[in-house]
Order: sequence, then C-alpha cells, then structure tokens
Amino acid sequence: GESVGLHLPTLSVQEGDNSIINCAYSNSASDYFIWYKQESGKGPQFIIDIRSNMDKRQGQRVTVLLNKTVKHLSLQIAATQPGDSAVYFCAESGGYQKVTFGTGTKLQVIP
Amino acid sequence: NAGVTQTPKFQVLKTGQSMTLQCAQDMNHEYMSWYRQDPGMGLRLIHYSVGAGITDQGEVPNGYNVSRSTTEDFPLRLLSAAPSQTSVYFCASSLRRDNQPQHFGDGTRLSIL
Repeated sequence: GESVGLHLPTLSVQEGDNSIINCAYSNSASDYFIWYKQESGKGPQFIIDIRSNMDKRQGQRVTVLLNKTVKHLSLQIAATQPGDSAVYFCAESGGYQKVTFGTGTKLQVIP
Repeated sequence: NAGVTQTPKFQVLKTGQSMTLQCAQDMNHEYMSWYRQDPGMGLRLIHYSVGAGITDQGEVPNGYNVSRSTTEDFPLRLLSAAPSQTSVYFCASSLRRDNQPQHFGDGTRLSIL
C-alpha cells in the first residue's frame, strides 16, 4: 500500500462540508505557488496555482488564498466529496529558485 | 493523452544492482525532473533537465545519473543500489522550468534489499 500518507496531519471533513487546508511557506522571495492533490498510488495532480501579485484565485470548487505578510497559503474546497479524499500539498518557487514542496495534509471525507 | 509515463511501476533490487527508471512525456515539454518521495518528507529533487542535452543536479543527486538525449525521454539510472534509495520515484515535466505547474507520472515504487 501507499506509505506516503502515514504520519501526515489529517483533516477529517463530513461530505458536503467545506474543507480548508493550510500551508506555511518558507521563502519570502517565492512568487509562484501551486496546490497538488495526490491520491493513493498515483502521482501528484495539479489543482490550482497563484502568483504573488494576487491574493485569491478561484477554480471549480476550489479557491486558493495567499497571505504574503505571514507567508501563508490555503486551499478551500467547497462541498467536499468522497473523491476529494487524498493528500494535498503546496509548492513554492520564484525566479531561478527550484520548486520546494510541502509535506502535505491528508484529507479524509466522511460519507 | 498519455502525459508522463513511467516504467516500471514496481521494482525490487538487491544492494549493488543497477537499473534504469524510464520516463517519457508526449507534451513537448522542455523541463523534466526526477523526484523521490519518502514518508514524512516533501518531494525532493534528484536531477532535472531544461532541454535536450542539458541536465543538472538537484537536492539529492548522489547515487543517480540522468541523460536527456531527446525532448521526450529522461531516464534515471541507479548506479549501485543501496537500501537508502528505497523510495517512490516520480518523473515530472512542464513547459518551462519557471512558474509552471508540473505534470507527474504515477511513480516507480522501488525497494532495495
């Protein structure tokens, strides 16, 4: 089985509720941020990105918020569904800086 | 649409053996990279390439070699496998290196005995 999801912080959410997953990034020079979703046994899948000249960006059922003052990123998932169960992690980069990935949060959706 | 294809999906090796993990993408992406994913850690960059004929080291390159003879292919070679290289390996590609989301393959799960 997939061992990557072990030892990760876990967020349990009732189906239909909204989910908020948080990420603290490390480099104040980072100017591009991405959220990925990783299902068990699969590779990371791009969800949404945001550049530092924005503080909010919306996609289909997902919203990313960026607070550069406190170096904080959040992913909001509206009307969470069982198919949203996965590990979510953020990534940051900027200029010639290589991408740095967070360790992730496991989202469990309770039917 | 194949995207990024990695082979094999699973592999068990004995210490000291060598092998090549294959990665191919059909999106004409310039940038390709290899990561390893270990429990409790974020993806760590092993090697990357910004185009055919150009490769460079990432964060954890020791014990691995890469080459990029074509835009499509970016194989990762383990020279002499060690138990510390037991991990899940992901290949990724993007149109360019900077400020682009990466497309990942489904990984190779490698165990070194």
